[in-house]
Amino acid sequence: NAGVTQTPKFQVLKTGQSMTLQCAQDMNHNSMYWYRQDPGMGLRLIYYSASEGTTDKGEVPNGYNVSRLNKREFSLRLESAAPSQTSVYFCASSTIRDIDWSSYNSPLHFGNGTRLTVT
Amino acid sequence: GENVEQHPSTLSVQEGDSAVIKCTYSDSASNYFPWYKQELGKGPQLIIDIRSNVGEKKDQRIAVTLNKTAKHFSLHITETQPEDSAVYFCAAKSGGGADGLTFGKGTHLIIQP
Repeated sequence: NAGVTQTPKFQVLKTGQSMTLQCAQDMNHNSMYWYRQDPGMGLRLIYYSASEGTTDKGEVPNGYNVSRLNKREFSLRLESAAPSQTSVYFCASSTIRDIDWSSYNSPLHFGNGTRLTVT
Repeated sequence: GENVEQHPSTLSVQEGDSAVIKCTYSDSASNYFPWYKQELGKGPQLIIDIRSNVGEKKDQRIAVTLNKTAKHFSLHITETQPEDSAVYFCAAKSGGGADGLTFGKGTHLIIQP
């Protein structure tokens, strides 16, 4: 059971280039998330997808787009990379009950991250 | 939205001693408080969590306490071991839904041999 798999592990981009970070989970989870981690800033939510077919902005969505391709896969796209997007990106998934959400909170399961450098 | 403050940012303890990490949250509607451990080069992993209807939860050497009145929760690690060295994150979630967790900025725990 691989859990949450992210590709690539490392990437270097020049300012203005574009790329897509891939994420796939094999736990049959409904919800998927993209976080970025910067030194001294903790983990900040970029976008999330509560279920297949839906996506919503998180705390820091500017400069990013996402696609929930199917239940397993959730990709993050940088259309025109900027040095401020140098970070470690983590994908996560969880499962949420369809009813009575307020009484059921599922842990997030994280991938091992993509380290992105924009020069 | 929710705001989570975590202290200290770095904590160094002798092997065998206890370590305590503290967090405060701002949204009184928050009802779920997990703790994650992150080792170098890996993603965060859940180590323990607590819900708002419980004041304390233990799992072997780790425990979490919650004070809803003060909007404060803490992670306690007893009999620390070298493998406890890592970065620890607290988080909070307000209300229901799938809108993710709000994380503290992390504590780098160093276990001195």
